[in-house]
Amino acid sequence: DGGITQSPKYLFRKEGQNVTLSCEQNLNHDAMYWYRQDPGQGLRLIYYSQIVNDFQKGDIAEGYSVSREKKESFPLTVTSAQKNPTAFYLCASSMGGDDTEAFFGQGTRLTVV
Amino acid sequence: GQQVMQIPQYQHVQEGEDFTTYCNSSTTLSNIQWYKQRPGGHPVFLIQLVKSGEVKKQKRLTFQFGEAKKNSSLHITATQTTDVGTYFCAGTMYNQGGKLIFGQGTELSVKP
Repeated sequence: DGGITQSPKYLFRKEGQNVTLSCEQNLNHDAMYWYRQDPGQGLRLIYYSQIVNDFQKGDIAEGYSVSREKKESFPLTVTSAQKNPTAFYLCASSMGGDDTEAFFGQGTRLTVV
Repeated sequence: GQQVMQIPQYQHVQEGEDFTTYCNSSTTLSNIQWYKQRPGGHPVFLIQLVKSGEVKKQKRLTFQFGEAKKNSSLHITATQTTDVGTYFCAGTMYNQGGKLIFGQGTELSVKP
């Protein structure tokens, strides 16, 4: 059953703790993306990766880190440096290049208390 | 920062009325994609436009890409309650390594 999987669906953390969100895809896609969604602001790009072992900052990378050690995995770490981490996080993948559609995971809703 | 602007942010219509959302980019786009996100769900791909002036239709949905490849629109004819959700445009700029930038989205509500 092919697709892109994010886990967990809901995540609670205490302020000051780092937390890592998982994103796995078995679509053999080269490109992967992390977006943050807040009400009224659409999807804002955090990081993206076009190929294994390479990634680029998006528009709101501060306070986040990623790795792309394997083609199928693109975990996102929300660090304590992120001032307002409570949000809905979406991971996506695509074949890569300019003209390919993105497939999204179900999302992780992170709440920091 | 955000380079793809989308309006309106919200649209409330009576079932059967038409609906249009507009997307504008500050730079020329390689392509524009449209997605729909149902309440509580994740964005789902609808269509991609690549050519200047391209028009594509999917049943009651009509998608257009401007001649300058900087703007796009999605028009829904005779809305139904199943059309409820947030519609996003997403653009890829040339020479940006596949960076996909989303607009803010238009949230559509349909009153039966």
